[in-house]
Amino acid sequence: QITLKESGPTLVKPTQTLTLTCTVSGFSLSTSGVGVGWIRQPPGKALEWLALIYWDDDKRYSPALKSRLTITKDTSKNQVVLTMTNVDPVDTATYYCAHSHIATTTDAFDIWGQGTMVPVSS
Amino acid sequence: SSELTQDPAVSVALGQTVRITCQGDSLRIYSASWYQQKPGQAPVLVIYGKSKRPSGIPDRFSGSSSGNTASLTITGARAEDEADYYCKSRDSSGNHWVFGGGTKLTVL
Repeated sequence: QITLKESGPTLVKPTQTLTLTCTVSGFSLSTSGVGVGWIRQPPGKALEWLALIYWDDDKRYSPALKSRLTITKDTSKNQVVLTMTNVDPVDTATYYCAHSHIATTTDAFDIWGQGTMVPVSS
Repeated sequence: SSELTQDPAVSVALGQTVRITCQGDSLRIYSASWYQQKPGQAPVLVIYGKSKRPSGIPDRFSGSSSGNTASLTITGARAEDEADYYCKSRDSSGNHWVFGGGTKLTVL
């Protein structure tokens, strides 16, 4: 059974760096075709794709946020980490991580974590 | 702004059929996936690879695509189908992904 769980700070101040961790189980981050993505959703607004990392360490970023985002994975710890620099109150959102597979889901996010709400406020 | 455009809101009478659409140039090349999100919950994949259903998704959900438009059809809408629906696909570069703005479905 594939599961993902996000963790992160309960509050971040403007200009700080936000670090989010996605801990996965039921699959390996090194399995061919696997991808883990990050998606966020500000309160009352739409989903926004942020970044994705593939099993082979190929990394993709939203062009709008690329300069502020870094995605990495630690296969031994079953974790994918997303960092966002210089946060602003507009970055207040629920952040989700999700599993995908190039072949079995044709890149769709088939399993999602429960999400973690991150407020950005001074 | 999103490269995928959805109607903000759609309504359907209980038991009737409703189509939710997603428009974007990238859909001429790349398939769309569809996600259902109920209040306070994480999104759930309902259609992928243009028209495939994950296990556990009722067969009243179906997907199709023509030209620059992808569609999610719910045949025989039920009260529990009331939710926000998002499409997702690759952007015009093919190297990134983008979600549509979402459609709020009301079942009357």
